[in-house]
Amino acid sequence: GAVVSQHPSWVICKSGTSVKIECRSLDFQATTMFWYRQFPKQSLMLMATSNEGSKATYEQGVEKDKFLINHASLTLSTLTVTSAHPEDSSFYICSARDWDRGDEQYFGPGTRLTVT
Amino acid sequence: SQQGEEDPQALSIQEGENATMNCSYKTSINNLQWYRQNSGRGLVHLILIRSNEREKHSGRLRVTLDTSKKSSSLLITASRAADTASYFCATDDQAGTALIFGKGTTLSVSS
Repeated sequence: GAVVSQHPSWVICKSGTSVKIECRSLDFQATTMFWYRQFPKQSLMLMATSNEGSKATYEQGVEKDKFLINHASLTLSTLTVTSAHPEDSSFYICSARDWDRGDEQYFGPGTRLTVT
Repeated sequence: SQQGEEDPQALSIQEGENATMNCSYKTSINNLQWYRQNSGRGLVHLILIRSNEREKHSGRLRVTLDTSKKSSSLLITASRAADTASYFCATDDQAGTALIFGKGTTLSVSS
């Protein structure tokens, strides 16, 4: 199957700083990527849909000024958590859809963010 | 928003036993997918079943779909300790692009 990578796999930052997480589709072009957040022992919650060359679409309750998404190329989407707070500590997972291969979505391995 | 509910939330069984997890969803779907997640790790895609399919098999996995009841079940036969993980069902959102996940079932298989 297709491969999606994320970087970094884990990051610790201080409260008030910003953190950038990268999501790359390695062997296919992804016009659409998705960002999810998962708190401990909970399910994945869709945060936003990232569209190449246009603005991201955010789910209700997700602050677009806090979670900046940029999808500048067909293989890269970035999520920047601005002015991070301890409550932003979570597991962030991206996924991408290869429309040429059908309905399956391909998930990155996730990024563990800890804000101290 | 979350589309579905898994049942049970947690399941503990012995190796060799079968494990059945259920998923219910709310809106019409194009397909339903099941994923596995080991603790602290990424998702592993298990199986996709389309809305016009009723049953699908993959190795020790059997998935059924009842669109009239808006429900699906995942059966893992002859379970192994390595099957210990959280299992999630997921369906397309209304736009047909993103996946919306259920709350998940945590399966624990003891040897």
